[in-house]
Amino acid sequence: EPEVTQTPSHQVTQMGQEVILRCVPISNHLYFYWYRQILGQKVEFLVSFYNNEISEKSEIFDDQFSVERPDGSNFTLKIRSTKLEDSAMYFCASSRETSSPLHFGNGTRLTVT
Amino acid sequence: DAKTTQPTSMDCAEGRAANLPCNHSTISGNEYVYWYRQIHSQGPQYIIHGLKNNETNEMASLIITEDRKSSTLILPHATLRDTAVYYCIVRPNRDDKIIFGKGTRLHILP
Repeated sequence: EPEVTQTPSHQVTQMGQEVILRCVPISNHLYFYWYRQILGQKVEFLVSFYNNEISEKSEIFDDQFSVERPDGSNFTLKIRSTKLEDSAMYFCASSRETSSPLHFGNGTRLTVT
Repeated sequence: DAKTTQPTSMDCAEGRAANLPCNHSTISGNEYVYWYRQIHSQGPQYIIHGLKNNETNEMASLIITEDRKSSTLILPHATLRDTAVYYCIVRPNRDDKIIFGKGTRLHILP
């Protein structure tokens, strides 16, 4: 069964550094998402992306965050200058249509020191 | 915020049916009920969804009350691998994102 893959599984970075989290969505899916989960807390929506542009973003997704689909297969989340509070699991998801189920990857654990 | 209410935690004996309740009394006519689960250290996993009718797939059954104000997810023969947090989510038909609440932590007991 096709699945969403995320790399790396664990990323450690220093405060103030830029990080790029990578995702390969399911190949025939058109809608892409990023979520995050701080340890012990809820899974939170960050951003949705369709047709090469952001369709919706949450308050968490401020100017430090950006997303890109640089080619036909990858979907990336960039954090420009990481803060300690950006430490979390980051999940990528994709769906075939706007009302189809979202399918999630197993996440990237980001640790900011 | 999530439009659903779920118990914080539940236990179920291995091999028995696990019945997870969810209240969504403010659900609108065009909103679907979705269930996801999150096994420790993994991403959320889609289980099932429905609008009005009961639904069944290889993982579970979804029973929605006639007034649509509540639903129950049924795992027919729970195994230890079903230990996870289960999320009941109300999603408008035209809304792409889903919003997670706190879910129910289900413990399957050997």
